Amino acid sequence: AQSVTQPDIHITVSEGASLELRCNYSYGATPYLFWYVQSPGQGLQLLLKYFSGDTLVQGIKGFEAEFKRSQSSFNLRKPSVHWSDAAEYFCAVGAEDMRFGAGTRLTVKP
Amino acid sequence: DTAVSQTPKYLVTQMGNDKSIKCEQNLGHDTMYWYKQDSKKFLKIMFSYNNKELIINETVPNRFSPKSPDKAHLNLHINSLELGDSAVYFCASSPRGDAREKLFFGSGTQLSVL
Repeated sequence: AQSVTQPDIHITVSEGASLELRCNYSYGATPYLFWYVQSPGQGLQLLLKYFSGDTLVQGIKGFEAEFKRSQSSFNLRKPSVHWSDAAEYFCAVGAEDMRFGAGTRLTVKP
Repeated sequence: DTAVSQTPKYLVTQMGNDKSIKCEQNLGHDTMYWYKQDSKKFLKIMFSYNNKELIINETVPNRFSPKSPDKAHLNLHINSLELGDSAVYFCASSPRGDAREKLFFGSGTQLSVL
């Protein structure tokens, strides 16, 4: 079965700074990869997804992610973080079902 | 209109009680899911139903019983609640249950067992 690792439990960045959230996956074939965001008290919302083709994918709210097969990674990036980006971010792998990483909590400093 | 709605939003109950959480989706999706999110935010799939048929049943105590009266509804009944059942339970749906599909989540039910 597939699995997902998010090495960073909590990240703090200053507003306006760049952001990178790490995600590593394990799966025997080409995975379907996703990033979801969860705001406090809410369900998860899809930011972006990768199936095939261009390894750099654009998502909503100015986020992008890059698929690197050699590193089994799918890191999420944003050039300039806004205070409203503070949330929990989940990387996920879709195969037999959707498996989520443990999440990375993002705090944004003013 | 809320696409995936679950009730109640909060549920506080005593150990040993039986409780249910309801979920409805108005998206016309064939597949519905229950996920459990623990206090460390780890999100784990519990069940998946496709058009009222059980597809995935992860290692979950048999005190948890999902019921799907029709493809728009997937309810979760929990018997003999235990302290360790305290978590946030999320219902979700997807069009066909294909691994490439986006999941649509409800806003969660926070269950606290005292």
